Amino acid sequence: AQSVTQLDSQVPVFEEAPVELRCNYSSSVSVYLFWYVQYPNQGLQLLLKYLSGSTLVKGINGFEAEFNKSQTSFHLRKPSVHISDTAEYFCAVSPYYKLSFGAGTTVTVRA
Amino acid sequence: EPEVTQTPSHQVTQMGQEVILRCVPISNHLYFYWYRQILGQKVEFLVSFYNNEISEKSEIFDDQFSVERPDGSNFTLKIRSTKLEDSAMYFCASATGGASEQYFGPGTRLTVT
Repeated sequence: AQSVTQLDSQVPVFEEAPVELRCNYSSSVSVYLFWYVQYPNQGLQLLLKYLSGSTLVKGINGFEAEFNKSQTSFHLRKPSVHISDTAEYFCAVSPYYKLSFGAGTTVTVRA
Repeated sequence: EPEVTQTPSHQVTQMGQEVILRCVPISNHLYFYWYRQILGQKVEFLVSFYNNEISEKSEIFDDQFSVERPDGSNFTLKIRSTKLEDSAMYFCASATGGASEQYFGPGTRLTVT
């Protein structure tokens, strides 16, 4: 079985400041790792994914994440956020087929 | 850009009634999924569907739930006799492969009264 822990439920941040969203996971098998974003009243959109290879992955909208196998973490970062980054962010893992999601982190960007 | 669509966007039903939630996956995708998100809780996997059969299901997906791909384009989730605790946002997703990126629809908000 897999589980995902997102360590921050809410992250307020000022525009143009950096942001880091923390994600830890546990699994008895190898998994693929994902970050999804959900804008208000919309579905889930993939930001980035780690399947194999380089542990630093870059995604859409300037986001990147680093896979750390020893710490079983997959933290998401953006060096400078915009108002439009206000959304809920979900970390997810998958051995195959199903995704197991974390509880989500609400990012609120203020001017 | 191709996208997953879901209808209706909001469904209100009375306890004990049957509901069918509809999804149109991306046309060349082969793997289909339903997830749900109860208000304030995490997104939970319900079922995956491949080659016209269920490939995996969660404990939530009991005998009250069923899925079908009736016509090669739609993918439906049926809840036979709804309960208050079935109130949630239901998301459909599709993918080209079992380990591939899943594309999500906008969701159907189901309210059981």
